[in-house]
Amino acid sequence: GAGVSQSPSNKVTEKGKDVELRCDPISGHTALYWYRQSLGQGLEFLIYFQGNSAPDKSGLPSDRFSAERTGGSVSTLTIQRTQQEDSAVYLCASSVTGGAGKGTEAFFGQGTRLTVV
Amino acid sequence: GDSVTQMEGPVTLSEEAFLTINCTYTATGYPSLFWYVQYPGEGLQLLLKATKADDKGSNKGFEATYRKETTSFHLEKGSVQVSDSAVYFCALGGTSYGKLTFGQGTILTVHP
Repeated sequence: GAGVSQSPSNKVTEKGKDVELRCDPISGHTALYWYRQSLGQGLEFLIYFQGNSAPDKSGLPSDRFSAERTGGSVSTLTIQRTQQEDSAVYLCASSVTGGAGKGTEAFFGQGTRLTVV
Repeated sequence: GDSVTQMEGPVTLSEEAFLTINCTYTATGYPSLFWYVQYPGEGLQLLLKATKADDKGSNKGFEATYRKETTSFHLEKGSVQVSDSAVYFCALGGTSYGKLTFGQGTILTVHP
């Protein structure tokens, strides 16, 4: 498809389990972002990848969260030992070049809704 | 640190009414400012942007002017339509290339 694709669209997991969320960015986009949208807390930046540069991990809330981007394309966000406060919608976005913060348009996927029970 | 404060919603208007959604920000330096919109069942998309003071961003009849003196970027539309019903997010881009700081979002519902 032409847009950012995320899978799964919904994920229910038990507390303490690990989960992996996948993002397929728009083909040719070199920058990729992960955000989290929690009820009552708005959108929260998690991590940013740009080409082969070291990712900006400054938004990851704890060391249970990690992300990788293989071959400059697909990205996986992993949450280990999930907690109930991890329940949120996890959004991925991509842009042609780096710099959503500097004015480059970011294209968002529809998100993965994670529920930890 | 950077922060964005949006007017709390939800906002409910009749078709053809005038819309204002207030947005103020706190940031160091000279941030870029954005409005993103999320229509029902869709991902966030960029509505408009302004990258320096006094710039006016505009798109689909919506406008917002970057006011450094009042640290504001209020969204306006002269005549809303039912199809404008969505969640609107004000955001700023600061010193980080990759990070956008978002407001809480404002739900807009327009009735015929």
